[in-house]
Amino acid sequence: DAGVTQSPTHLIKTRGQQVTLRCSPKSGHDTVSWYQQALGQGPQFIFQYYEEEERQRGNFPDRFSGHQFPNYSSELNVNALLLGDSALYLCASSLGGGLPNIQYFGAGTRLSVL
Amino acid sequence: AQKITQTQPGMFVQEKEAVTLDCTYDTSDQSYGLFWYKQPSSGEMIFLIYQGSYDEQNATEGRYSLNFQKARKSANLVISASQLGDSAMYFCAMREGVTGTASKLTFGTGTRLQVTL
Repeated sequence: DAGVTQSPTHLIKTRGQQVTLRCSPKSGHDTVSWYQQALGQGPQFIFQYYEEEERQRGNFPDRFSGHQFPNYSSELNVNALLLGDSALYLCASSLGGGLPNIQYFGAGTRLSVL
Repeated sequence: AQKITQTQPGMFVQEKEAVTLDCTYDTSDQSYGLFWYKQPSSGEMIFLIYQGSYDEQNATEGRYSLNFQKARKSANLVISASQLGDSAMYFCAMREGVTGTASKLTFGTGTRLQVTL
């Protein structure tokens, strides 16, 4: 049973570029959440997708957008990259609607913006 | 607003000893969930243990137990019989409200645990 998979594992971009990160949820899960983890800090919630809709959003600018596909996989898009966007981006999947709603994480995509 | 506080940036423990990692939280909700995750240097966040706010007994999962003191708003992780492979960052996290509409996790700043021989 495959867990949460993310691609790519590493990415290097320059300021102003756009990037797309991908996530496949754990088998049977229908909810995908995205987090940004800066070096030395805890993850910060970006947004969550359920039934192809953005259900909840954290305090991130509109440059951060996402999408969920009918097969529950998800993409995170970041436009007009800034140096401060350099971080580990973590995707988590869960089964919405029932407790305890544990989120299982992938290994992350490490984004470096030069 | 919900907040998680982990006051121990780093901890050392000898192999086979027990260790307690501290976590306090702040919320105005009556219904919430508390989680502990382990993050090795590889980066993946590994779920360890969960405690619901209405659970009367402390959660246990193998060598992990959660010391839940609701009145003090604390949810400390206890690792018994530490192993070298336990060396990692440990994060406490909270989910406010009932699931279905609001399930984002708020994380603390983490505690780096080093297990020594």
